[in-house]
Amino acid sequence: AQSVTQPDIHITVSEGASLELRCNYSYGATPYLFWYVQSPGQGLQLLLKYFSGDTLVQGIKGFEAEFKRSQSSFNLRKPSVHWSDAAEYFCAVGAGDTGRRALTFGSGTRLQVQP
Amino acid sequence: DTGVSQDPRHKITKRGQNVTFRCDPISEHNRLYWYRQTLGQGPEFLTYFQNEAQLEKSRLLSDRFSAERPKGSFSTLEIQRTEQGDSAMYLCASSLLGNNQPQHFGDGTRLSIL
Repeated sequence: AQSVTQPDIHITVSEGASLELRCNYSYGATPYLFWYVQSPGQGLQLLLKYFSGDTLVQGIKGFEAEFKRSQSSFNLRKPSVHWSDAAEYFCAVGAGDTGRRALTFGSGTRLQVQP
Repeated sequence: DTGVSQDPRHKITKRGQNVTFRCDPISEHNRLYWYRQTLGQGPEFLTYFQNEAQLEKSRLLSDRFSAERPKGSFSTLEIQRTEQGDSAMYLCASSLLGNNQPQHFGDGTRLSIL
């Protein structure tokens, strides 16, 4: 069974600073990986996805993530954080190549941005 | 693209009552998913439909839960005899067919059991 670990429950960064959110996954084959963002009381918005190919993927809002198979990681990065980036971030893994459609999510990382 | 729409946004009910939520997916999306999210946690998969067929169900979907998608368009999720533990955000998502199609989420229905 697949699983996702987001080791950091809460992260605080200053506006303009760089950001890296960690995600480790467990899955036997090549995973489908996603990062979603959720503002309070809202649904999830897709930031970026990885299925195959280039291991550095670009997403919306200036975010990028790098797939590292050897470390079973898919960390999310942004070079300069804006106050509007404050939200909850979820990493998810899917097993689409098996025909199963369920996504498994991590427990999330709450990002706080200081002025 | 109007996005995934869920109704109602909030539902407050007494323990033991039945509740029903509706989800309207993005119009050209054949797949529809239901997830449950409790406070401080990530979403947990409940079930998914491809057109009108329910193809996958989680063990979380107890016999008090039933989901339908009768015409392959909108879907309903019903919870019978609600319990305190059912309090959560219920999220709906939809996607196109294909192995690598991402799921697009609605804003959810927040259920509070008194």
